[in-house]
Amino acid sequence: AQTVTQSQPEMSVQEAETVTLSCTYDTSESDYYLFWYKQPPSRQMILVIRQEAYKQQNATENRFSVNFQKAAKSFSLKISDSQLGDAAMYFCAYSDMRFGAGTRLTVKP
Amino acid sequence: DAGITQSPRHKVTETGTPVTLRCHQTENHRYMYWYRQDPGHGLRLIHYSYGVKDTDKGEVSDGYSVSRSKTEDFLLTLESATSSQTSVYFCAISEAGAGYGYTFGSGTRLTVV
Repeated sequence: AQTVTQSQPEMSVQEAETVTLSCTYDTSESDYYLFWYKQPPSRQMILVIRQEAYKQQNATENRFSVNFQKAAKSFSLKISDSQLGDAAMYFCAYSDMRFGAGTRLTVKP
Repeated sequence: DAGITQSPRHKVTETGTPVTLRCHQTENHRYMYWYRQDPGHGLRLIHYSYGVKDTDKGEVSDGYSVSRSKTEDFLLTLESATSSQTSVYFCAISEAGAGYGYTFGSGTRLTVV
């Protein structure tokens, strides 16, 4: 079975700074997808970014980017120019419908 | 909005009673999923559906059943609710499967007393 591990239960960042959230996963597959989801206090789950394993290029969505290291089975999320609205739980997910335990991000003004 | 609604949004029920949660979508997506969210566990898959009357078990399916008689509706039933089933339940939909990402409903907070 695949596992998805987020080793940082909580992280904090100063407004306008950059923060990186970590995710590692276990798989024997060569083709798969990875995701980051955001869950603000409203409880709504929002897809932030998606990475296809066969693509070398790291996915980017505005201030959100990933560092995908396929050989290391690592998939970290970088948030640049952090904003107060980025405060949320962030979940890493693998394409077999499995999620990590989440990282709670606090943004300090 | 993506056209996915969950009902009820909150529910309190007693141990041993049956409970049904409803997920309704207007996107005509083939795939539908039920997850539960608990602190320290993230989201765990309960059941999923890949078409009308086609369902399969997930990681934590014990004590839960599902039905999908129409494309738009996916029901989750707790046959006899237990306190361990107190959780937040999320429904998700996907047009082409989990590899393409989900759209989630707003969740149902279920408390079993």
